[in-house]
Amino acid sequence: ETGVTQTPRHLVMGMTNKKSLKCEQHLGHNAMYWYKQSAKKPLELMFVYSLEERVENNSVPSRFSPECPNSSHLFLHLHTLQPEDSALYLCASSQELTQVFDYGYTFGSGTRLTVV
Amino acid sequence: KQEVTQIPAALSVPEGENLVLNCSFTDSAIYNLQWFRQDPGKGLTSLLLIQSSQREQTSGRLNASLDKSSGRSTLYIAASQPGDSATYLCAVNFVVETSGSRLTFGEGTQLTVNP
Repeated sequence: ETGVTQTPRHLVMGMTNKKSLKCEQHLGHNAMYWYKQSAKKPLELMFVYSLEERVENNSVPSRFSPECPNSSHLFLHLHTLQPEDSALYLCASSQELTQVFDYGYTFGSGTRLTVV
Repeated sequence: KQEVTQIPAALSVPEGENLVLNCSFTDSAIYNLQWFRQDPGKGLTSLLLIQSSQREQTSGRLNASLDKSSGRSTLYIAASQPGDSATYLCAVNFVVETSGSRLTFGEGTQLTVNP
C-alpha cells in the first residue's frame, strides 16, 4: 500500500453506463490529482484539486466529472464514455500544491477501465 | 512548451550489468524531478526525488543525478537484477505561474533484465 487507495482495481462498463472511481488518501495531503495513462502515451494530467477546490481542468471532456468532498477523498464520475476512454486512471496526492518544499507525489495503484 | 523526453524507449540487459537511463526536459524552471517505477498494469512507485537545488540522490543500488541548467537527469542502476524489470518514468515538476506547478511525465523506458 502506498498510502493512496483506489477502487475498483478493474472496471468494465458499457458506453451508456454511469460509474464512479474512488480515491482515498490518509497522508494528510492537501492536493489531489487525476491522471490518465493510455497505451503507448505519457501520463496525462486531468484534474487538480487543492483543499477541495478544483484548480485545474486540463481540457477534459465533460463526460468525466470530478468531485472532492473533503481533502481525503476524490471521485471521478463517468458517464457516456467512448471506447477510446479505456485506460489506466491514476490518482495521486501531494503535501501541497506548490512543490517547493515537498516530498513529491504519491500515486495509487490505479483503476483499469475498459469501455465496451 | 514544457516537455520531458526519455531515452531509450526500451532496454534489455543481462543480469549484473550497470545501466543508465536518461531523461531530458525543456525548461530549467523546475521545483523537483521524480523517478518512478511502474510494473505492468500497476500504479507508480516513487524511487527517488531530487529537489532543484540538489545534484543527486541515492537509494540502495539506485543513483539519480540532476543537471538543471542543461535540462538532464540520469538514473543509474548498479548490478541489475531480473526484479528490476519494469518501466521507469521520469517526471519533472515544472514551475507554472497560473497553477503553481505541473508534473509532466516522459514516455518511460521499459527495462528488461535477463537472468
